Amino acid sequence: RKEVEQDPGPFNVPEGATVAFNCTYSNSASQSFFWYRQDCRKEPKLLMSVYSSGNEDGRFTAQLNRASQYISLLIRDSKLSDSATYLCVVGNNQAGTALIFGKGTTLSVSS
Amino acid sequence: EAGVAQSPRYKIIEKRQSVAFWCNPISGHATLYWYQQILGQGPKLLIQFQNNGVVDDSQLPKDRFSAERLKGVDSTLKIQPAKLEDSAVYLCASAPLRGEQYFGPGTRLTVT
Repeated sequence: RKEVEQDPGPFNVPEGATVAFNCTYSNSASQSFFWYRQDCRKEPKLLMSVYSSGNEDGRFTAQLNRASQYISLLIRDSKLSDSATYLCVVGNNQAGTALIFGKGTTLSVSS
Repeated sequence: EAGVAQSPRYKIIEKRQSVAFWCNPISGHATLYWYQQILGQGPKLLIQFQNNGVVDDSQLPKDRFSAERLKGVDSTLKIQPAKLEDSAVYLCASAPLRGEQYFGPGTRLTVT
């Protein structure tokens, strides 16, 4: 079983749609959880951290379920500029700094 | 604030040749990481430094890859000899202690 598994995608949605990405992780001792965004041929950039209580940043909502080892990202009112690859990331060492990346899910938003 | 700098941005070499990549982290960041990102995959951690000490190099193929961070600032990653499967983007990231990782633009390596 892969350490971090994501929906394979790609997701093709129209502007204004709501889209959800799911991710599971295998190490129950994982300490930190993130979603990164990576544009084509660019470096990954932190989108948001994920907490058990759930967190929201504008149109983006992330959820963590430790019992199910499941992470999600919801994007509401999709914009063309949301087109990118979304990487589910888990931090596995005691400090949560050894990041394990999923393969990523590609989102394409069209007008 | 200047970001993480990497050079070269692109490199094409033949198999069995050697190559070196350089990374200059954000000033003051104690932790430095090297990742390998193969096309269609997420980045894979190769090595993590804290200051000039190695924290984790469990996924570094030590028979051909080496990395150093002398003086706890800049770092170099070397591959010797390169194989076809080493074709990838090599990303450097830096972070303050327990802080967010910031990635550099990467070096795109093609081994022919």
